[in-house]
Amino acid sequence: KAGVTQTPRYLIKTRGQQVTLSCSPISGHRSVSWYQQTPGQGLQFLFEYFSETQRNKGNFPGRFSGRQFSNSRSEMNVSTLELGDSALYLCASSSDWGPSYEQYFGPGTRLTVT
Amino acid sequence: GQNIDQPTEMTATEGAIVQINCTYQTSGFNGLFWYQQHAGEAPTFLSYNVLDGLEEKGRFSSFLSRSKGYSYLLLKELQMKDSASYLCAVKGATNKLIFGTGTLLAVQP
Repeated sequence: KAGVTQTPRYLIKTRGQQVTLSCSPISGHRSVSWYQQTPGQGLQFLFEYFSETQRNKGNFPGRFSGRQFSNSRSEMNVSTLELGDSALYLCASSSDWGPSYEQYFGPGTRLTVT
Repeated sequence: GQNIDQPTEMTATEGAIVQINCTYQTSGFNGLFWYQQHAGEAPTFLSYNVLDGLEEKGRFSSFLSRSKGYSYLLLKELQMKDSASYLCAVKGATNKLIFGTGTLLAVQP
């Protein structure tokens, strides 16, 4: 079974631009979560989608948004990029939504904002 | 508020045993996860505890005490490849997974 894939792997953008990141979960997984990882803050939860519905949202500004498609693929969008948005963005999928379901992480998208 | 604390860095010797502690204060509790993350790679799942006690899986064991808000990850027979960051994460009442900042373990020969 193929793992979680994320595209692109690396991205360089300029302040003020917007960016869209893509995540394809493991086949059969319906839950997709997004995280931002930075050296100082560690992994921070952005949002979680299950069957095209946002189930949970972290404490990020409205510039960060996401969606999930009927095939469980997910995208996240960041508008009006700021320098502080430079980070590794990780996507994780799990087979279902609930406490005990472990998450499988993709390799991440490294976003650099200049 | 929600808070997860882990030591920032630890050093251990190949073949030895190391214990990585994690304390947490969260709104509700639906389980505690440990993940391993090698530099430049994605986190990989190690263990899940929801009840008090010890879960053993090969060289890795994880312990949970819900009353104390405390967990530890025990790594036995350390190998050089165990050098990585170890992330403690708690699922709160809303099923959000909240991560600590991770413990960077360096295994020395």
